[in-house]
Amino acid sequence: DQQVKQNSPSLSVQEGRISILNCDYTNSMFDYFLWYKKYPAEGPTFLISISSIKDKNEDGRFTVFLNKSAKHLSLHIVPSQPGDSAVYFCAARESSGDKLTFGTGTRLAVRP
Amino acid sequence: GAGVSQSPSNKVTEKGKDVELRCDPISGHTALYWYRQSLGQGLEFLIYFQGNSAPDKSGLPSDRFSAERTGGSVSTLTIQRTQQEDSAVYLCASSPAGLNYGYTFGSGTRLTVV
Repeated sequence: DQQVKQNSPSLSVQEGRISILNCDYTNSMFDYFLWYKKYPAEGPTFLISISSIKDKNEDGRFTVFLNKSAKHLSLHIVPSQPGDSAVYFCAARESSGDKLTFGTGTRLAVRP
Repeated sequence: GAGVSQSPSNKVTEKGKDVELRCDPISGHTALYWYRQSLGQGLEFLIYFQGNSAPDKSGLPSDRFSAERTGGSVSTLTIQRTQQEDSAVYLCASSPAGLNYGYTFGSGTRLTVV
């Protein structure tokens, strides 16, 4: 039972354009959401997060949007750069614990 | 070091052999997690240690898998009688108590069972 879903396994975007990565979840107990970025042969690195009391969090070129009623979040990268090419994982945490549940990832390719 | 350290970085083992994977968390981080990523899959939770509490072993796929954390620091994940389906990248992460901004992951151990 996949509680965090990233339905797009891959995404290709032109440099300078917006990248939008989507994530859906099913567990209504999730109250904190994170995005991780992973380069080959490296561990995932934390990118940005959002609490369920907010609907938007922005950090430079990265913005995460949360729609609780739809159980959907998205990561926007504007403008996209070739160095953003990586696998992006969505993750979620329940209010009762520290364990994160991850999605299957979306591979982003930014074309020069 | 400043980050989470895992060893070995790569391990090739024969089916049926036992393997041990090591994780050195960030000093002072009380929480330690093991995940694995199989080919084409997401990050699958295995086990979680928090301070002196009993570990959350709910993600271990079989009784061939076990983990311990000595002195609240270094952790070892042991896989007995390895099978080909155990081939994956095993990732360790640590975090301070009361996580509010995410884990720090190590670079992982790529395990290949032949």
